[in-house]
Amino acid sequence: NAGVTQTPKFQVLKTGQSMTLQCAQDMNHEYMSWYRQDPGMGLRLIHYSVGAGITDQGEVPNGYNVSRSTTEDFPLRLLSAAPSQTSVYFCASRPRRGDEKLFFGSGTQLSVL
Amino acid sequence: EDKVVQSPLSLVVHEGDTVTLNCSYEVTNFRSLLWYKQEKKAPTFLFMLTSSGIEKKSGRLSSILDKKELFSILNITATQTGDSAVYLCAVWLVYNFNKFYFGSGTKLNVKP
Repeated sequence: NAGVTQTPKFQVLKTGQSMTLQCAQDMNHEYMSWYRQDPGMGLRLIHYSVGAGITDQGEVPNGYNVSRSTTEDFPLRLLSAAPSQTSVYFCASRPRRGDEKLFFGSGTQLSVL
Repeated sequence: EDKVVQSPLSLVVHEGDTVTLNCSYEVTNFRSLLWYKQEKKAPTFLFMLTSSGIEKKSGRLSSILDKKELFSILNITATQTGDSAVYLCAVWLVYNFNKFYFGSGTKLNVKP
C-alpha cells in the first residue's frame, strides 16, 4: 500500500499566485487533515474532513481552502499565496473510529517569495 | 487555551547515553497522548498512552503517562545515531475527536 501520498514535494511560489497541494490515501480512511509545520511551533491543524462532502476548520484556516469530493483525495488550495504561508505542509489520515493514530504523508515544502 | 509543551527543545548526546524527553500538557477533557518520531520527512507513530502509570515499551524506547501531574516522558536507552530525529508529542481530546494538539518537538542529535 502507498499509504498517504502528497504532491509536490517542493514548490516555490510568488506572492499572489495560487496553487493546490494534493493529498491522496489508499487506506479507505474517513478522516483526513492538513497540518503546517513551522520552526518552534510544532504541527498546527489547518483543515480537516471526516468524510466526503464534510470539511471543517482547524487552528489556522485563514488563506486556505479545502474540499473533499471523494474518500481518497483531500486537496489544499492556496488562493493567493503570502510569504507567511512559507512552511512544510503535511497531510494525515486515520480511520474515523477506533485506532487514533495519524498516518502522515511525506510533506510538501512550500516557499512563497 | 489548550497547550502542549515539550522540553528540552534540543538535546545532543553520544551513542550509548540514555535520554529522557518531556511532554507536559494543559488541556481540558484529555483523552490520550501520542508520541511520534520525525526524521527527514513524515512523523511516524511510536506510542499512544491513555492510562496513568502504565509503561509502553518498544525495544530501547519506553514511555509513561502521569495524568495527575499532566505529563509524559519518553525514554531512550543505549542511544544510537539512528535515534537522531525530532520527537513530537500530541494530545487528543475527548470532546473533539478530530483535533490533535502537537507540541513543538524535541530535536535529538546522537553523536557517534
